[in-house]
Amino acid sequence: QKEVEQNSGPLSVPEGAIASLNCTYSDRGSQSFFWYRQYSGKSPELIMFIYSNGDKEDGRFTAQLNKASQYVSLLIRDSQPSDSATYLCAVRRNTGFQKLVFGTGTRLLVSP
Amino acid sequence: ETGVTQTPRHLVMGMTNKKSLKCEQHLGHNAMYWYKQSAKKPLELMFVYSLEERVENNSVPSRFSPECPNSSHLFLHLHTLQPEDSALYLCASSRNVAGGTYEQYFGPGTRLTVT
Repeated sequence: QKEVEQNSGPLSVPEGAIASLNCTYSDRGSQSFFWYRQYSGKSPELIMFIYSNGDKEDGRFTAQLNKASQYVSLLIRDSQPSDSATYLCAVRRNTGFQKLVFGTGTRLLVSP
Repeated sequence: ETGVTQTPRHLVMGMTNKKSLKCEQHLGHNAMYWYKQSAKKPLELMFVYSLEERVENNSVPSRFSPECPNSSHLFLHLHTLQPEDSALYLCASSRNVAGGTYEQYFGPGTRLTVT
């Protein structure tokens, strides 16, 4: 079992729709959870982080965390073609110096 | 300069060459990281430095040699690389504060091709 799992996609949504990206993790003691956006040929850009159960909203983005189910998600409301990118989920483990473990990413395609 | 910068942005080297990648962070952070990103694979952590001390070395081959002279600068020295080392090499930094969330910020990366 991979430590951080994401569906590779692509996830295709029409412009204006809600995109829902999901991530599961295996280390129950994981502390913090991060979503990065990576455009093709570019480096990862931090979008949001969350460390408490529940929802955290920032503009069009909402991160949701359920530690009991070991599940974290990212919702993108009013999706735009410029949101088309690969979204990486990262988890900070309970052991190891501030180590982030990354999933392979989900490719999102937003069509006009 | 702001954020995390990396040079060079692109590098082509032969297997017998020696080259170095440079990273500089302007965020006042005190931890720095090297990652390797290959196609279809998750980001692989290579090295972690905190307060200029190496705290993690993820079984990286000795042909990769990191150096952290101060909390703002990080180098990755490369020698006798193999074609499978071709990848995007990413530098990141974070703030090491007890109880913090330690979010990492990435530089633009160096696209390395080994011929």
